[in-house]
Amino acid sequence: GAVVSQHPSRVICKSGTSVKIECRSLDFQATTMFWYRQFPKQSLMLMATSNEGSKATYEQGVEKDKFLINHASLTLSTLTVTSAHPEDSSFYICSAPRLAGGGADTQYFGPGTRLTVL
Amino acid sequence: AQSVTQPDIHITVSEGASLELRCNYSYGATPYLFWYVQSPGQGLQLLLKYFSGDTLVQGIKGFEAEFKRSQSSFNLRKPSVHWSDAAEYFCAVGAGAGGGNKLTFGTGTQLKVEL
Repeated sequence: GAVVSQHPSRVICKSGTSVKIECRSLDFQATTMFWYRQFPKQSLMLMATSNEGSKATYEQGVEKDKFLINHASLTLSTLTVTSAHPEDSSFYICSAPRLAGGGADTQYFGPGTRLTVL
Repeated sequence: AQSVTQPDIHITVSEGASLELRCNYSYGATPYLFWYVQSPGQGLQLLLKYFSGDTLVQGIKGFEAEFKRSQSSFNLRKPSVHWSDAAEYFCAVGAGAGGGNKLTFGTGTQLKVEL
């Protein structure tokens, strides 16, 4: 099956610093990737759609200046949490759709990145 | 707007017993439905999906799900649960062309398996 990786898997940082999370599709190209945030024991909430070659589109209530997204290539999207604060601590998960033709594509998820802001 | 409801937050079953996890969706057009499983600290793994055709869908690990349009449901079932099935299960609905569009997830059902 398709593989999506994330790096780092876990990061601890001080308040006020910025953290970059990478999402890679390892064996397929993805013009679109999605970034989700998951709080403990809660569901995944879509934050933004990362688009290769154009600006990301953000869901309502998500600060685009806070969560910078760059889709650098057809296999890489990065999420940068700028000036992180403790309330940004969460589990961040990316996904990428693998097109299978006939509209029957499927999203594949990365293993997630646990961010802890002290 | 699309939405997904998973009425059961926690479910406990004995190993070897049957399992059914409920999922109800709200979507104006033909939905694209998914079940994912998440083990602690892990990403989501796709169990099965429904796009069209046969309303009974077979997935990995012995899971199946049945799409019932009249009930707006897509319940997940397994005839005999194994201890390794203990995890969080998420139902999701996608708009448009299946997984190529953003997904809306339910709140998840935590499955505990008693030995």
